[in-house]
Amino acid sequence: GAGVSQTPSNKVTEKGKYVELRCDPISGHTALYWYRQSLGQGPEFLIYFQGTGAADDSGLPNDRFFAVRPEGSVSTLKIQRTERGDSAVYLCASSLMSLAAGGTQYFGPGTRLTVL
Amino acid sequence: QKEVEQDPGPLSVPEGAIVSLNCTYSNSAFQYFMWYRQYSRKGPELLMYTYSSGNKEDGRFTAQVDKSSKYISLFIRDSQPSDSATYLCAQRDNQGGKLIFGQGTELSVKP
Repeated sequence: GAGVSQTPSNKVTEKGKYVELRCDPISGHTALYWYRQSLGQGPEFLIYFQGTGAADDSGLPNDRFFAVRPEGSVSTLKIQRTERGDSAVYLCASSLMSLAAGGTQYFGPGTRLTVL
Repeated sequence: QKEVEQDPGPLSVPEGAIVSLNCTYSNSAFQYFMWYRQYSRKGPELLMYTYSSGNKEDGRFTAQVDKSSKYISLFIRDSQPSDSATYLCAQRDNQGGKLIFGQGTELSVKP
C-alpha cells in the first residue's frame, strides 16, 4: 500500500513569509508525528497527534509554529514569519500506535524547507 | 547533554567487514530502543527495535541493549555497499511514542 507522502518535496521561501507543509499518513494510522531534521543531525520531535487532537506539542520551538489535523488524517504544519534558522527537512511519520504492532513509525520522504 | 548520544562518524569500511555502531542514552525510563536507516534525501526507515535489554537478530543485523551501561549497539555482518547510509538510534517515549534520536552515524561501505 501507499506510504506516508509529504508535499511539497522542496520549498524555498523568503524570510518573513508564511509556509504550509502537508502530510498524508498511511490510511488507518491514528497517530501522526512531525519532526525536524537539520543538516547533520537526527530528527527532533515537534508535535504528535492522536486522531484530531494534538496530544503533545512540547517540541514546537515557538508560537510561529502550528499544526492541525482537522479530520484525523491529513496534517498541515504551518510556520509564520519564517526565519533562516527554520531551514531544515520537515519529516512526518504515522503509526497504528498499537503495542502489538510495536508502534512502528513510518516516515515520509520529508519536505526540504529553505528560507532565504 | 543530549538524551541520546551518537558518534556522527563518518565511518568507512571495506565490503564484507563487520560494522559496529553505538549510542549511549540517559533516560532509563524508556524501554523501546530503535535503529533507523536513512538514505540520502529519504526519510528514516525502521531496521530493528528491541524492548528492554538483550539482543535481537535479523539477518545480517544484530541489535543489542546494555541497560547497566546505558549503551545501544547495532552490528552489521558482511557489510555491503548498499548498507551505505546514515544510521540513527532512538529511544521511544512511553507516553505518546515520540522518538528521541541520536545525531546519526554516516556509514560508507567501499566495494
